[in-house]
Amino acid sequence: GEDVEQSLFLSVREGDSSVINCTYTDSSSTYLYWYKQEPGAGLQLLTYIFSNMDMKQDQRLTVLLNKKDKHLSLRIADTQTGDSAIYFCAEIPDTNTGTASKLTFGTGTRLQVTL
Amino acid sequence: DAGVTQSPTHLIKTRGQQVTLRCSPISGHKSVSWYQQVLGQGPQFIFQYYEKEERGRGNFPDRFSARQFPNYSSELNVNALLLGDSALYLCASSLGQGLVGNTIYFGEGSWLTVV
Repeated sequence: GEDVEQSLFLSVREGDSSVINCTYTDSSSTYLYWYKQEPGAGLQLLTYIFSNMDMKQDQRLTVLLNKKDKHLSLRIADTQTGDSAIYFCAEIPDTNTGTASKLTFGTGTRLQVTL
Repeated sequence: DAGVTQSPTHLIKTRGQQVTLRCSPISGHKSVSWYQQVLGQGPQFIFQYYEKEERGRGNFPDRFSARQFPNYSSELNVNALLLGDSALYLCASSLGQGLVGNTIYFGEGSWLTVV
């Protein structure tokens, strides 16, 4: 079955690193995504990782994938107040073939950055 | 290039009414998906359309329908509105050329309030 879980809340101080965790149940997941949602806004694609990769780095963002444990994490270095938002991880199960783009989302982690 | 555009941004409807939401994908993208995000939850997949054909449907009642036009824009229709249909409706756009390079981008959404 498809299920994605995240912790609900994370608070960090400005300048520290944030680590947002996600677990998923579908072992055949192909792509795993991280989206950011600011209050009252849509979803902003931050980064994604293909399931044959262990790590992906993009500026302040580092994605780690442990496929054995079905665990995905997003590390934000030097967290800023502008990073305060809800972060969603999402997967595309391998059951989606061809042109399908059905994302299964987690519940979202609210990141609060304090001064 | 414009991103995914959705209209209207906000609307209020009465129970039992019908609503039509519109989406224009990123130029060159042929796949459009619709998601419902209830307050405090992650988005839930409703439909995916590619090349004007339905390619996927989520667990939503028949009151929900959609279509895709020759220019790849899409409409989501919801009939006989219920209070529980109040949500942010998100449109997602992707190339739709299979899983490789299937980066999925979202619009800002349409906020629907049913009273």
